Amino acid sequence: QSALTQPPSASGSPGQSVTISCTGTISDVGGYNFVSWYQHHPGKAPKLMISEVSKRPSGVPDRFSGSKSGNTASLTVSGLQAEDEADYYCSSYAGSTNWVFGGGTKLTVL
Amino acid sequence: QLQLQESGSGLVKPSQTLSLTCAVSGGSISSGGYSWSWIRQPPGKGLEWIGYIYHSGSTYYNPSLKRRVTISVDRSKNQFSLKLSSVTAADTALYYCARERDYDLVFDYWGQGTLVTVSS
Repeated sequence: QSALTQPPSASGSPGQSVTISCTGTISDVGGYNFVSWYQHHPGKAPKLMISEVSKRPSGVPDRFSGSKSGNTASLTVSGLQAEDEADYYCSSYAGSTNWVFGGGTKLTVL
Repeated sequence: QLQLQESGSGLVKPSQTLSLTCAVSGGSISSGGYSWSWIRQPPGKGLEWIGYIYHSGSTYYNPSLKRRVTISVDRSKNQFSLKLSSVTAADTALYYCARERDYDLVFDYWGQGTLVTVSS
């Protein structure tokens, strides 16, 4: 069982919006604004999509956005495109030089 | 563009030591402001941070693995390594190396991962 809880799957049609949740505790997600999201196409290197809860690295489309409320962080993908189909993982700093990850969410573009 | 590439034994016998190396290209492993991590994903499960080595050489490990993990760096070859001792089937996983960015605590570059199976 992963430290952070994500839904195993999510889906949406092209153009729609999808939100993926990531639930932790006050010791990780709720206690730090160091939540990040990663996109992973199997067989490739994971890619950083969101840092510090809601910051998009250069090159990441603005269709991707992040937020946090209490112990739950969220990733929203707006205007879904076929290439968004991938696995998405959340991560949070958990203090004392330790990181925790979610179990991953498989996003399907219908 | 920074690139990381894992290599090492894909099959390890129970009770033996798993050894992996991550070669870094397109940047120096000695650059300040970054640390070099190992992260793994058992089949069907989520990611687990194993530990990292700071650019200064200091190491930090996941408390759950600390007793069995050693991460080291070879600056002359611009690479860093993972050793995990006394492995069991539970250590079977896809192992990734990644660069951690100190100012915002993210893993900004990853390798593609290498599968390690623990089996007799």
